[in-house]
Amino acid sequence: GIQVEQSPPDLILQEGANSTLRCNFSDSVNNLQWFHQNPWGQLINLFYIPSGTKQNGRLSATTVATERYSLLYISSSQTTDSGVYFCAVGVWNQGGKLIFGQGTELSVKP
Amino acid sequence: SAVISQKPSRDICQRGTSLTIQCQVDSQVTMMFWYRQQPGQSLTLIATANQGSEATYESGFVIDKFPISRPNLTFSTLTVSNMSPEDSSIYLCSVRSWDSGNTIYFGEGSWLTVV
Repeated sequence: GIQVEQSPPDLILQEGANSTLRCNFSDSVNNLQWFHQNPWGQLINLFYIPSGTKQNGRLSATTVATERYSLLYISSSQTTDSGVYFCAVGVWNQGGKLIFGQGTELSVKP
Repeated sequence: SAVISQKPSRDICQRGTSLTIQCQVDSQVTMMFWYRQQPGQSLTLIATANQGSEATYESGFVIDKFPISRPNLTFSTLTVSNMSPEDSSIYLCSVRSWDSGNTIYFGEGSWLTVV
């Protein structure tokens, strides 16, 4: 099956700093999504990005499908950005099920 | 978008008992997914629930332990049977929203602690 690796596993930032999270995957996919899980467990969809680049406020993501990786950029980080960021991939002919990476745990200090 | 409600949000359960988690979606969806997240771990798919057919279980998960119902296009239940402390996890319901660019949405999760 498809393998998903995220790096780094942990990241500590001062408020205002920028960061880049990486997701590598082992096979061709046509579904890649980034999620943020807040400290209360709520999982929020950040981007659906099987290829290309998208931006939403201080967050942006880029997926290079041919090289099997995706990057999530967080600029001017805030304490509310803390939590775990998951990359998840899938293939639509499998109905939309996702395979999750192990996540990057981000802690933003004031 | 899709709004997903799960019940219960949290529960403490006795070893050996069973608990049913409900998932309600505000729009009709073809497929619903149930995931498990053990403490400090990532999410793992338990099964895919299609309306009108048997759920499809992933390797390592069986129907006797995690029976699923899907009576209509907006509702599903997952039962965790004969619970042990190893079943202490967050259980999450998920749907795929066709009208939002194939975005996947999750419910708030059901935190189960088995004592």
